[in-house]
Amino acid sequence: SQTIHQWPATLVQPVGSPLSLECTVEGTSNPNLYWYRQAAGRGLQLLFYSVGIGQISSEVPQNLSASRPQDRQFILSSKKLLLSDSGFYLCAWSPGTALGTEAFFGQGTRLTVV
Amino acid sequence: DQQVKQNSPSLSVQEGRISILNCDYTNSMFDYFLWYKKYPAEGPTFLISISSIKDKNEDGRFTVFLNKSAKHLSLHIVPSQPGDSAVYFCAAGYMNYGGSQGNLIFGKGTKLSVKP
Repeated sequence: SQTIHQWPATLVQPVGSPLSLECTVEGTSNPNLYWYRQAAGRGLQLLFYSVGIGQISSEVPQNLSASRPQDRQFILSSKKLLLSDSGFYLCAWSPGTALGTEAFFGQGTRLTVV
Repeated sequence: DQQVKQNSPSLSVQEGRISILNCDYTNSMFDYFLWYKKYPAEGPTFLISISSIKDKNEDGRFTVFLNKSAKHLSLHIVPSQPGDSAVYFCAAGYMNYGGSQGNLIFGKGTKLSVKP
């Protein structure tokens, strides 16, 4: 069966510090991978998605970047965090055969920038 | 510009009664719709979906209705149980398109409280 791991679960970082959140998927090959953010009152916002190694698409201009160094690894990064980067970050995957089908989410990372 | 809207931020229902969660969308190109349930500090879990060729899909206590002409879908939970208390997200996507159009667009969510 497929599983998705996301860490850390919670993170408190000072403004201006770097960020690295990691997500890995097991039990499937060539998944589509996504980073979402849930900010207060804004629902789930798609930040990045990837259909393959090294292929990253950004949905929203921001202070963040994403990378996919391996097939089942997706990393969300920032060089300098802003207060507005606080939120609940979710990694998700969907079968690589079709976009737009249901996505399966990790447990999320609660990021607080202070 | 919100393409998927859940206009009710919260809903309170008595145990055993019906919960109706509503969702509206603006993009007529969406052809696949999903509902997710989310508990605090956890990732959303998939509940039920419907493609645009159907107007109803049922799975146990959960039924999703789609009205394409009104660009409206709803999730019915019958009977509601206290364990159903969570935030419910509506999402829309494209089954048959690639690129950025293939991703899910989420509403802001509706917090459902089912009281014993």
